[in-house]
Amino acid sequence: DTAVSQTPKYLVTQMGNDKSIKCEQNLGHDTMYWYKQDSKKFLKIMFSYNNKELIINETVPNRFSPKSPDKAHLNLHINSLELGDSAVYFCASSYTGEVGYTFGSGTRLTVV
Amino acid sequence: GIQVEQSPPDLILQEGANSTLRCNFSDSVNNLQWFHQNPWGQLINLFYIPSGTKQNGRLSATTVATERYSLLYISSSQTTDSGVYFCAAPLSGNTPLVFGKGTRLSVIA
Repeated sequence: DTAVSQTPKYLVTQMGNDKSIKCEQNLGHDTMYWYKQDSKKFLKIMFSYNNKELIINETVPNRFSPKSPDKAHLNLHINSLELGDSAVYFCASSYTGEVGYTFGSGTRLTVV
Repeated sequence: GIQVEQSPPDLILQEGANSTLRCNFSDSVNNLQWFHQNPWGQLINLFYIPSGTKQNGRLSATTVATERYSLLYISSSQTTDSGVYFCAAPLSGNTPLVFGKGTRLSVIA
């Protein structure tokens, strides 16, 4: 199946831990994104990568570090997790400046 | 940066009713998209519609770029239409989409 896949789907962890979320797309898109959706359903862009290069970093704490080993993968590593990091994180991909973002199914992160 | 505002924030419909959701944006755009987030959280792209009108089944969308708004029409609503509808436009040029706060739709049988 052609898709954007994220793992894990759920992640429960304690404050202070470090965790990673993986994202892979097999659509041949050249741009990948991370969005954060808070408890009020507000979707906010975090990062945008084009062909493995960081394009956008929208006022995200430097505890969040994206890594793109190739243009099909964009992983998100979070250090020293805080309660406020609890949210649903969505990965998405598209062609540069083109239609139709495709979103992954999201990772629900709960920090306790 | 661009502001994307949606109305109404919440909408409750009886099954079979029609509805119109509105999206206003503060700047001219070359990319305007509508998404549906179903109750299970999946975000589905409905329309790419920077201008003009498109239809897909019971859903259609119209964007009047010169007046900076877009409308999403849902006809003969079904319970499966429930969820949150988002419109989104890029900050500028080819930058990532900025999402509105969404319209939460509940369709009651």
